Amino acid sequence: DSGVTQTPKHLITATGQRVTLRCSPRSGDLSVYWYQQSLDQGLQFLIQYYNGEERAKGNILERFSAQQFPDLHSELNLSSLELGDSALYFCASSVGSFNQPQHFGDGTRLSIL
Amino acid sequence: GQQVMQIPQYQHVQEGEDFTTYCNSSTTLSNIQWYKQRPGGHPVFLIQLVKSGEVKKQKRLTFQFGEAKKNSSLHITATQTTDVGTYFCANNNNDMRFGAGTRLTVKP
Repeated sequence: DSGVTQTPKHLITATGQRVTLRCSPRSGDLSVYWYQQSLDQGLQFLIQYYNGEERAKGNILERFSAQQFPDLHSELNLSSLELGDSALYFCASSVGSFNQPQHFGDGTRLSIL
Repeated sequence: GQQVMQIPQYQHVQEGEDFTTYCNSSTTLSNIQWYKQRPGGHPVFLIQLVKSGEVKKQKRLTFQFGEAKKNSSLHITATQTTDVGTYFCANNNNDMRFGAGTRLTVKP
């Protein structure tokens, strides 16, 4: 158990819809990272937050947004969903803002019908 | 951010054979991390290398960081079926960079 909690585990929705994925980091970790992993693909870094502030941005689409709340949990919002957004979305957390081992949650599998 | 290049993409070995995956960057890395993702699972942190030329071992796994800190390797001696999975290298200095991963399959 990594200590990182992601909900929901599975999400099925339709094109054009909007969803919110939630992540609770490991106790004591201040950084939260979001990744997208399409079928049999690598990990695409989306965005990182550190102690409530955006720290780094990767290949995140404009239709996607995220935030980290004062209690350090984070949410990833995906809107105007397209078929290509179907993927496994991982959240990871670490103690510091960089050069730190990351602990991954089990992921949220998003299926767009 | 610029990706770190990882090769090979796939590796299929007979149980008992050795396995190596390589990670290369065009720029100097402050550190390199290695993760393993089992099929259907999430990435799990294995190790972090920081020093130039560093070599670390974990049982049958040997991790190396190049002298120029631009490349790294993970070597598994005498693979077992439990080694199956995808191995990723990563660097998270100024931005987050993950290699594409090497998928290892082991035939019993």
